[in-house]
Amino acid sequence: EIVVTQSPATLSVSPGERVTLSCRASQSVGDKIAWYQQRPGQAPRLLISAASTRATAVPARFSGSGSGTDFTLTISSLQTEDFAVYYCQQYYNWPHGAFGQGTKLDIK
Amino acid sequence: VHLVDSGGALVQPGGSLTLSCAASGFTFRSYDMHWVRQTRGEGLEWVSTIGTAGDPYYSDSVKGRFTISRDNGENSLYLQMNSLRAGDTAVYFCARGPLRGLNYFDYWGLGTLVTVSS
Repeated sequence: EIVVTQSPATLSVSPGERVTLSCRASQSVGDKIAWYQQRPGQAPRLLISAASTRATAVPARFSGSGSGTDFTLTISSLQTEDFAVYYCQQYYNWPHGAFGQGTKLDIK
Repeated sequence: VHLVDSGGALVQPGGSLTLSCAASGFTFRSYDMHWVRQTRGEGLEWVSTIGTAGDPYYSDSVKGRFTISRDNGENSLYLQMNSLRAGDTAVYFCARGPLRGLNYFDYWGLGTLVTVSS
């Protein structure tokens, strides 16, 4: 079983700041990592697949990187609508796609 | 793309429930479809997948109790849940898999709440 760990659990940041979220897999998953954003009361929204490919209509301020076991999601300049919970998910071992526990972005 | 999940309810332990997901805006029969659930304590958890050929897959936590199915004529996805437990309490989302054989999800329903309690 591949376990996915995200850090930190919560991050307090100010609008306009650059922020980097981390995701680590317990074994290599190649580039089989997706990132999702979830606002309160909403379903998750796909941001990134294949570690670095932005989904349709996702703003360019969101970028993903990494391969193997270590991955990051970077938001270059936080907008107020970006304060949400972010999840990474490995989809290396079909069909089991494990999610991380999430990182919550709070307004400082 | 639009997914509308429904059927969530309060059910007693050991009971049964069927969730539905109505899909529109894409060629339903051409995509793998999935159920993902979200609990307060455990976060997001993949539950089940059905391939375009109707091939079903289940997480270990629901195998033998849940049955996924699809009706391509009605553009609908279903999850039959039997022998429900308190640990099955969650918001259940139907979701689309954008590529065959890759279990990530590009569109999600709004979710339907299942509460298992006496």
